[in-house]
Amino acid sequence: DAGVIQSPRHEVTEMGQEVTLRCKPISGHNSLFWYRQTMMRGLELLIYFNNNVPIDDSGMPEDRFSAKMPNASFSTLKIQPSEPRDSAVYFCASSPSSRGPSRRDEQFFGPGTRLTVL
Amino acid sequence: KNQVEQSPQSLIILEGKNCTLQCNYTVSPFSNLRWYKQDTGRGPVSLTIMTFSENTKSNGRYTATLDADTKQSSLHITASQLSDSASYICVVSDPGGYNKLIFGAGTRLAVHP
Repeated sequence: DAGVIQSPRHEVTEMGQEVTLRCKPISGHNSLFWYRQTMMRGLELLIYFNNNVPIDDSGMPEDRFSAKMPNASFSTLKIQPSEPRDSAVYFCASSPSSRGPSRRDEQFFGPGTRLTVL
Repeated sequence: KNQVEQSPQSLIILEGKNCTLQCNYTVSPFSNLRWYKQDTGRGPVSLTIMTFSENTKSNGRYTATLDADTKQSSLHITASQLSDSASYICVVSDPGGYNKLIFGAGTRLAVHP
């Protein structure tokens, strides 16, 4: 099992540019989470999908952020336009829950994408 | 506001020594509490998951304890190794309808030879 796959691993871009982060969850997992990690705020949930449907996007900071999950094996997190304060490590995690997540379901994290916006 | 507080912020110990990390939470009601290990440049990896009815859970040299009455948890590391150097994050599941996790800020542990 390859685990959760994220790309790119590192992204450096200039303010105002569009950034797209990609995630491939573990095969068979029904829940997918996007997180952001910074030194100041730690890990924060941005959005949660279950069976490809966005369930909770209350953590998405602004309209500049959007996420999609067109199928069970792929999700994207897009920032347009990007700003320096978006610099962070973005993690994708997946969980094997089926009919709604069990409260003991493990979340498996990808390696993260380190985003730097200049 | 539901919060998870960890102490200390950072810790340095010598290889072979034991250490204990603390976690206090205000999340209520409470579903489960997890400890994650995050190596530098990597995603968090789960060490233990405990429900409110479990007092202790071990994973090798890692032992987590939970006191649901006082809303406190600890992670004890026995006979530390250099590879234990990492951030340890206490995570509590949100009482809401799904597996939403609330993360502590973490304790950064450095094990020196």
